[in-house]
Amino acid sequence: QQQVKQSPQSLIVQKGGISIINCAYENTAFDYFPWYQQFPGKGPALLIAIRPDVSEKKEGRFTISFNKSAKQFSLHIMDSQPGDSATYFCASQLIQGAQKLVFGQGTRLTINP
Amino acid sequence: DAGITQSPRHKVTETGTPVTLRCHQTENHRYMYWYRQDPGHGLRLIHYSYGVKDTDKGEVSDGYSVSRSKTEDFLLTLESATSSQTSVYFCAIRQNSGNTIYFGEGSWLTVV
Repeated sequence: QQQVKQSPQSLIVQKGGISIINCAYENTAFDYFPWYQQFPGKGPALLIAIRPDVSEKKEGRFTISFNKSAKQFSLHIMDSQPGDSATYFCASQLIQGAQKLVFGQGTRLTINP
Repeated sequence: DAGITQSPRHKVTETGTPVTLRCHQTENHRYMYWYRQDPGHGLRLIHYSYGVKDTDKGEVSDGYSVSRSKTEDFLLTLESATSSQTSVYFCAIRQNSGNTIYFGEGSWLTVV
């Protein structure tokens, strides 16, 4: 059972453009929504995260937009750079108990110079 | 890197053989996790631990067992490896304070 759906599977953006990755979750009990960035041969690394009590969080060029009623959230990368080329995973998490992460399928982002 | 070390980093093994992957952490985190990563599936939770000798199953636990005899080590064992267990395995820890989960560098396992 896929509880977090992520799209698109792959994305190509020109340098300087805006990259947008979307996720939808099913379980309304989730209360923490992190995004992870993964480079080839490395483990996923936390990029940015949001709680459902806010609609937007921005850190530098990275912004999460959150729509609680639609059970959707998205990652926006402004002024995309070749160094942003990586695989991005959205995730959903319950912050009580074991706090297990449920991941989306991943998006391979390529920024063309 | 939250002080996580996985070993081995790469392993090729034959079908039917037992395999153990080790996750070692140096910062006394209570919660530890094993995930596997496969194309099109993202990362899926295999097992997790919430303390010494306290473990529980994740969504893809069949064919795997775990043990945690001391805080710093969390072992993942494939009792009889199958080709479907060819994957990249990631260990993770959760900070004792806060919600952030950190991942290790991964262990690439190929079952032939």
